[in-house]
Amino acid sequence: EAGVAQSPRYKIIEKRQSVAFWCNPISGHATLYWYQQILGQGPKLLIQFQNNGVVDDSQLPKDRFSAERLKGVDSTLKIQPAKLEDSAVYLCASSLDLTGLAKNIQYFGAGTRLSVL
Amino acid sequence: QQQVKQSPQSLIVQKGGISIINCAYENTAFDYFPWYQQFPGKGPALLIAIRPDVSEKKEGRFTISFNKSAKQFSLHIMDSQPGDSATYFCAVYGGTYKYIFGTGTRLKVLA
Repeated sequence: EAGVAQSPRYKIIEKRQSVAFWCNPISGHATLYWYQQILGQGPKLLIQFQNNGVVDDSQLPKDRFSAERLKGVDSTLKIQPAKLEDSAVYLCASSLDLTGLAKNIQYFGAGTRLSVL
Repeated sequence: QQQVKQSPQSLIVQKGGISIINCAYENTAFDYFPWYQQFPGKGPALLIAIRPDVSEKKEGRFTISFNKSAKQFSLHIMDSQPGDSATYFCAVYGGTYKYIFGTGTRLKVLA
């Protein structure tokens, strides 16, 4: 079974530039998560999709961050314009469904490391 | 708003020793308590998880102890090995269908 795929692995941009990250979840997984992991901290949920609908985006800075999952499969996360404090690893994860049952394990991709200069 | 408090921040253990990491939560609506292991350059991976209807769960060298009344749970790694050196995160889930992670514990097991 293929895992969660993310690209690019690394990205370096200057502040005020735009950047986009891509995620392809495990086949058949309805729930997709984007997390921000700042160095030395735990992952913080930015947005959560169930199929192509948003379940939770309460911690997404909507003035600069946007995300979509148009066909309920892969997803993109965009930052426009980037700030220095956006430097972090952006992790994508997926699970079969919403509920925290044993079968609905959350699988993570390797992440995209963003450096904003 | 810190809903999950994890300690210690870092831990150094001798090979063969026991590693213990603790987490405390506030909201009684949480009903699923996983622990994740993260190696450098990788995403977190589920290690072991517990539901509040049991007080302990063991999988190999890894054990979760759960204290519902105290709203605390801990990860015990028995016979710690250098390969266990990683960052460990506790998490809570429930109610609003989202995971909230602790701040992480960097474990180093000395050979």
